[in-house]
Amino acid sequence: DQQVKQNSPSLSVQEGRISILNCDYTNSMFDYFLWYKKYPAEGPTFLISISSIKDKNEDGRFTVFLNKSAKHLSLHIVPSQPGDSAVYFCAAQSDGNQFYFGTGTSLTVIP
Amino acid sequence: DAGVIQSPRHEVTEMGQEVTLRCKPISGHNSLFWYRQTMMRGLELLIYFNNNVPIDDSGMPEDRFSAKMPNASFSTLKIQPSEPRDSAVYFCASSLAGNSNQPQHFGDGTRLSIL
Repeated sequence: DQQVKQNSPSLSVQEGRISILNCDYTNSMFDYFLWYKKYPAEGPTFLISISSIKDKNEDGRFTVFLNKSAKHLSLHIVPSQPGDSAVYFCAAQSDGNQFYFGTGTSLTVIP
Repeated sequence: DAGVIQSPRHEVTEMGQEVTLRCKPISGHNSLFWYRQTMMRGLELLIYFNNNVPIDDSGMPEDRFSAKMPNASFSTLKIQPSEPRDSAVYFCASSLAGNSNQPQHFGDGTRLSIL
């Protein structure tokens, strides 16, 4: 059973607007959450992460929010740029090394 | 800096043949992961190693799949015999496991097509 879920397979946003990608998880023991970005024919690349002791982490145009009570995290991209068009995976980790990935959301930023 | 290196990038072979995928992790990383990407399940963990030792292989689909890590700088994923349903993109990733959380770093994958 999927412990990390991304319920929106795709998202389209106008350039300059905000992109919000969502992710839900089921395991309350997860203590580290990450977002990866993937271009076609390339491997996923690490984008941003957040520890469960925080509720927000910001890096330039990218902000990740964590709502532990709702078991929900989101990635905000502001402003969105055409180069942000990619597939975004969220991932979660509990103690130990194993990461659990969602199925991905394909973001298209329209110029 | 050299990232995770996977070979081959593409593999096309006939059903029943043996397939071997290769991975060189980032130097100094002590954990290595094999994933399979599918539309339905996204990035599906097959197996991972810590310090060259297999820790969890519960994601390996069946006995036709096997993985080895003979040393810290090399790992293989083997499928024998291969079947058309094995067609997918296979990723290798490595990380530095320790007390602090560290992200995984991925290779560019092997696109496998079984005819």
